[in-house]
Amino acid sequence: ELKVEQNPLFLSMQEGKNYTIYCNYSTTSDRLYWYRQDPGKSLESLFVLLSNGAVKQEGRLMASLDTKARLSTLHITAAVHDLSATYFCAGSPSNTGKLIFGQGTTLQVKP
Amino acid sequence: ETGVTQTPRHLVMGMTNKKSLKCEQHLGHNAMYWYKQSAKKPLELMFVYSLEERVENNSVPSRFSPECPNSSHLFLHLHTLQPEDSALYLCASSQDLARVSRKDTQYFGPGTRLTVL
Repeated sequence: ELKVEQNPLFLSMQEGKNYTIYCNYSTTSDRLYWYRQDPGKSLESLFVLLSNGAVKQEGRLMASLDTKARLSTLHITAAVHDLSATYFCAGSPSNTGKLIFGQGTTLQVKP
Repeated sequence: ETGVTQTPRHLVMGMTNKKSLKCEQHLGHNAMYWYKQSAKKPLELMFVYSLEERVENNSVPSRFSPECPNSSHLFLHLHTLQPEDSALYLCASSQDLARVSRKDTQYFGPGTRLTVL
């Protein structure tokens, strides 16, 4: 059974700093997803990582996938307040289309 | 309307009430999902429908009853709920259940915030 764990669960950082959120998963996953959720809002898709070594970047966020280590990272570069949100990673057991979510990492960027 | 819509956005009900949550997707997708998001737990998948057929029931109590009359609509019928069922219920859709050959993701609706008294 696929399990997904994120750390840290809460992250408070200053604007302009860099940081990384880690997502470990327990068994084979077809792909790895990253979502963002603002308070009181729904989930917004950020990245889908399909293969080992995949790296995707959008603005100040960069996601990568290491399938051998069963690890994905979401790197934040020069954080700004607008990035404050909860970030979820999710794995997908083979050929099921199901998403198994991590606990979420709440990011607070302070001016 | 575009994307995935859910109604109502907020719902307060007693334990003896019967209510229904509605989800509609305007994306032409074939798969739809119900998730439960509680305050201190990860998002939990409840049900999966593909081409109007239920393909997953993730050990959900029978007081939750899904219905998918067509590929654009998904309902969650609620009856005799418990206070611990209070949560945000999210609907999502995707093109198909599994598309490894290209980027695919699930698109989420805004959710229904359910409070059971």
